[in-house]
Amino acid sequence: QKEVEQDPGPLSVPEGAIVSLNCTYSNSAFQYFMWYRQYSRKGPELLMYTYSSGNKEDGRFTAQVDKSSKYISLFIRDSQPSDSATYLCAMRAGANSKLTFGKGITLSVRP
Amino acid sequence: DGGITQSPKYLFRKEGQNVTLSCEQNLNHDAMYWYRQDPGQGLRLIYYSQIVNDFQKGDIAEGYSVSREKKESFPLTVTSAQKNPTAFYLCASSIGGVPGNQPQHFGDGTRLSIL
Repeated sequence: QKEVEQDPGPLSVPEGAIVSLNCTYSNSAFQYFMWYRQYSRKGPELLMYTYSSGNKEDGRFTAQVDKSSKYISLFIRDSQPSDSATYLCAMRAGANSKLTFGKGITLSVRP
Repeated sequence: DGGITQSPKYLFRKEGQNVTLSCEQNLNHDAMYWYRQDPGQGLRLIYYSQIVNDFQKGDIAEGYSVSREKKESFPLTVTSAQKNPTAFYLCASSIGGVPGNQPQHFGDGTRLSIL
């Protein structure tokens, strides 16, 4: 089993839809969780950064971590065509341990 | 504006040739990283450096070399020993230090192809 599994996609939704992106993981030591957004031919851009379990909201984006189920999610409300990108989850155990990334899921929001 | 600058944006390598990818940051970050991204795969760590004049191998260091002579610069050399170098290379940095739990920020990458 891979350390981090991410839904493979691609995912296509109409504008205004609520989008749910998910990652599962096997390493119970992971405690720092990130979501990155990557536009085509660009580097990943940090969207959300959370520590341990719980929810974090930033505008239309909500990150959710359930450590008991080893499951993290990113919700996008009122999705826009500008949200069309690849979304990568990433996580690590300790403060100085390496990041482990999911493979990414490509989201397309149709006008 | 503070950020991470990678150059060139596109690079072509001939057989048997070493090429060097540049990464410069003006964020005053201590830690810097190199990743490789292949289609359908997550980012894989090549090398990282927590401090000037020190660096460690990541998961796929074979065929690559780095140096860290200045805080703001972390060049990556793809050597002729790397038999499958075609990929998108990403440089990242983070504040590092202690507690060192700050997220990594990325440059816009260099796409390397074989001629």
